[in-house]
Amino acid sequence: GESVGLHLPTLSVQEGDNSIINCAYSNSASDYFIWYKQESGKGPQFIIDIRSNMDKRQGQRVTVLLNKTVKHLSLQIAATQPGDSAVYFCAERPGGFKTIFGAGTRLFVKA
Amino acid sequence: DSGVTQTPKHLITATGQRVTLRCSPRSGDLSVYWYQQSLDQGLQFLIQYYNGEERAKGNILERFSAQQFPDLHSELNLSSLELGDSALYFCASSVGLFQETQYFGPGTRLLVL
Repeated sequence: GESVGLHLPTLSVQEGDNSIINCAYSNSASDYFIWYKQESGKGPQFIIDIRSNMDKRQGQRVTVLLNKTVKHLSLQIAATQPGDSAVYFCAERPGGFKTIFGAGTRLFVKA
Repeated sequence: DSGVTQTPKHLITATGQRVTLRCSPRSGDLSVYWYQQSLDQGLQFLIQYYNGEERAKGNILERFSAQQFPDLHSELNLSSLELGDSALYFCASSVGLFQETQYFGPGTRLLVL
């Protein structure tokens, strides 16, 4: 499928290594954060979320860290696999109804 | 498979024309969201409907409109199309009103020539 975001920041990692994808969010009032994965030609897929009253949440092979002091969010992927290659978006919800998506980071996993 | 369906998958049309994109949410989800994704602007929220009513508006142009029907499916109408409207259009759904986890459909790729 057509590539999304041809000029996205890119992270290239070796298969088996850990990946860390970073995101700076914009609104201090944001109370809910989500990471999505988008593979080529597909819609974004929910990975993990975290609420503002937490600073860490773990899923299967993924961990999200939230630093509200510096408005920073990170997604850690353990033992990265070729199937993890995709564009990763962070999203924030600054209260109310609207969700704001970040620009995305492209992850390449080298076999 | 997220459970959200979108039709058509691809759409090619000419400037000035009007098209309708269709979305069926996951079973049980009451909220439907529409997003536009273009190469240079990322994922942009357009509009949200909850149980048939418009609840939130984002960067939606006046030439665009949407509705959600009693069976909860939604349609996004794009009129007076311009070249710059070429993009991927995604529908997402969630259970409730406040934009908790959203499940995205596969998208409709629109090409305006």
